Amino acid sequence: EPEVTQTPSHQVTQMGQEVILRCVPISNHLYFYWYRQILGQKVEFLVSFYNNEISEKSEIFDDQFSVERPDGSNFTLKIRSTKLEDSAMYFCASRGGSSSGANVLTFGAGSRLTVL
Amino acid sequence: QQPVQSPQAVILREGEDAVINCSSSKALYSVHWYRQKHGEAPVFLMILLKGGEQKGHDKISASFNEKKQQSSLYLTASQLSYSGTYFCGTDNAGNMLTFGGGTRLMVKP
Repeated sequence: EPEVTQTPSHQVTQMGQEVILRCVPISNHLYFYWYRQILGQKVEFLVSFYNNEISEKSEIFDDQFSVERPDGSNFTLKIRSTKLEDSAMYFCASRGGSSSGANVLTFGAGSRLTVL
Repeated sequence: QQPVQSPQAVILREGEDAVINCSSSKALYSVHWYRQKHGEAPVFLMILLKGGEQKGHDKISASFNEKKQQSSLYLTASQLSYSGTYFCGTDNAGNMLTFGGGTRLMVKP
């Protein structure tokens, strides 16, 4: 079964450092997402990406965050200068399109970010 | 605006039933239900696209009341494997899902 792949599975970084989280969405999917989950809390939307540009973003997704699709397969989330409160599990997700059955989000296994 | 889930937590004995509710203050285009095991990614359970739609998957089913802007997830004859956190995700005809706060379900033997 096709899956969304995320790397690294866990990253530990010092406050103020830049971090890049990588995702390989399902190959024929068109919409890509980043969500964040602070330990024990709900899954929070960060950003959606379609047709090589951001389509929606939340208040959490401030100037410290950026996303890119540098080639045909990877989808990255960059945090420029990490803060302690950025510690969370970051989930990448993708979905196919607008037709029925293609609305389902498939999540990756997540990248745990720990900021010290 | 995120949907509201209730209850926040449920403890069941194996074989008991549970209902998890999800309501939104905005009109809903669709409702998605996911289950998340500890330390894992959310896993898709089902999607409801039309008002009045009901779906079932094994002993887990859901309904969608478009007028009331709410959905319910029904777990019957619960099994140990049902334990986890259940999230509803609502789609307001935008491009993303907004998740509720989650309902922690624990099934005990």
